[in-house]
Amino acid sequence: EAQVTQNPRYLITVTGKKLTVTCSQNMNHEYMSWYRQDPGLGLRQIYYSMNVEVTDKGDVPEGYKVSRKEKRNFPLILESPSPNQTSLYFCASAKVFNQPQHFGDGTRLSIL
Amino acid sequence: GQQLNQSPQSMFIQEGEDVSMNCTSSSIFNTWLWYKQDPGEGPVLLIALYKAGELTSNGRLTAQFGITRKDSFLNISASIPSDVGIYFCAGQLYGNKLVFGAGTILRVKS
Repeated sequence: EAQVTQNPRYLITVTGKKLTVTCSQNMNHEYMSWYRQDPGLGLRQIYYSMNVEVTDKGDVPEGYKVSRKEKRNFPLILESPSPNQTSLYFCASAKVFNQPQHFGDGTRLSIL
Repeated sequence: GQQLNQSPQSMFIQEGEDVSMNCTSSSIFNTWLWYKQDPGEGPVLLIALYKAGELTSNGRLTAQFGITRKDSFLNISASIPSDVGIYFCAGQLYGNKLVFGAGTILRVKS
């Protein structure tokens, strides 16, 4: 089954404790992206990757890092999480950059 | 940056009614997308529109890409309880950037 898989689905942690949210797609898609979803704001893009080893900032990149060492994986790293990063996070992928994106089921992060 | 104004923010309708929602922008987009999000899940693509004036249907859903390329609407005919969810419009320029509306929450009375 074609899918975008995120882990973990839920995480409660404390300020400053580094965490990584993994994202993996099995569709051989070149393009991958991370979004955060906050009430009343819709989805905002954090980082995106056009292909392996190619990443760039989205609209709200501060406090986040990403890497794209393999085509299928695009982890989101919070080196020193803060409470304002409490949110619902979605990973998405697309065949190429200008094709519709397919989303994972989300990761709910709570930073205390 | 680009912003999308999506309306209405929420709707509470009777089962069987038709639904209409729209998105407008001050910016021009090359692609308009409509997604639906169910509780606890990620957005799922409903309809993609690629040309100004394009009218596309997917079952009971119909969406149009505005002639000015600054707006789009989504209609749902004969709503049913499983239509409940949050509907998002998204506009895409050349390249990767996808800009989302804030969403329309649809609730259906059975």
